[in-house]
Amino acid sequence: AQSVTQLDSHVSVSEGTPVLLRCNYSSSYSPSLFWYVQHPNKGLQLLLKYTSAATLVKGINGFEAEFKKSETSFHLTKPSAHMSDAAEYFCVVSSRMDTGRRALTFGSGTRLQVQP
Amino acid sequence: NAGVTQTPKFQVLKTGQSMTLQCAQDMNHEYMSWYRQDPGMGLRLIHYSVGAGITDQGEVPNGYNVSRSTTEDFPLRLLSAAPSQTSVYFCASSLGGTGDQETQYFGPGTRLLVL
Repeated sequence: AQSVTQLDSHVSVSEGTPVLLRCNYSSSYSPSLFWYVQHPNKGLQLLLKYTSAATLVKGINGFEAEFKKSETSFHLTKPSAHMSDAAEYFCVVSSRMDTGRRALTFGSGTRLQVQP
Repeated sequence: NAGVTQTPKFQVLKTGQSMTLQCAQDMNHEYMSWYRQDPGMGLRLIHYSVGAGITDQGEVPNGYNVSRSTTEDFPLRLLSAAPSQTSVYFCASSLGGTGDQETQYFGPGTRLLVL
């Protein structure tokens, strides 16, 4: 079985300060990990992904995430928040199930609020 | 490239009514799936398809039917709507392999209200 835990349901930062959105996962097999962003009343957009290459992954809009196998974490960071970063962020794990099929599991989401 | 399109954007149903949510993609993706999004629960998989003629159940399939007659289209049917099906529904597609091919492309969503 696999699971994803987003440790904060809501994060509030000031514009220009760093962003940290935390994600822990569990998986029986080598996982792929993704972060998606959802702006209000929009669909989900891929921010970045880890697929067993470099453990530090850079994504769009200045976001990056580091895959830490020993800590089973895939935290999302950005050095300086922008007002346009206000959105909901989903951590997603994909791994092979016992049936051989790969399945995606979504975290419950973290809402990022950016204060002026 | 339109990507993944969904219709309608918003729908109100009465309990017991039926309807079909449409989903289409023009990227020649084999893998398509339907999710529902409810507050505080992330996205949950309803049904998915690994290719034309092949469908399977996800985490929350009850009350929903799907079919996949073409690569492009993957409609979701509610046979008898219930208030518990009030949600936002997302369709997604991917190449269906591993690694980069697992990246899912999402439609804009359909907001459904069942009274």
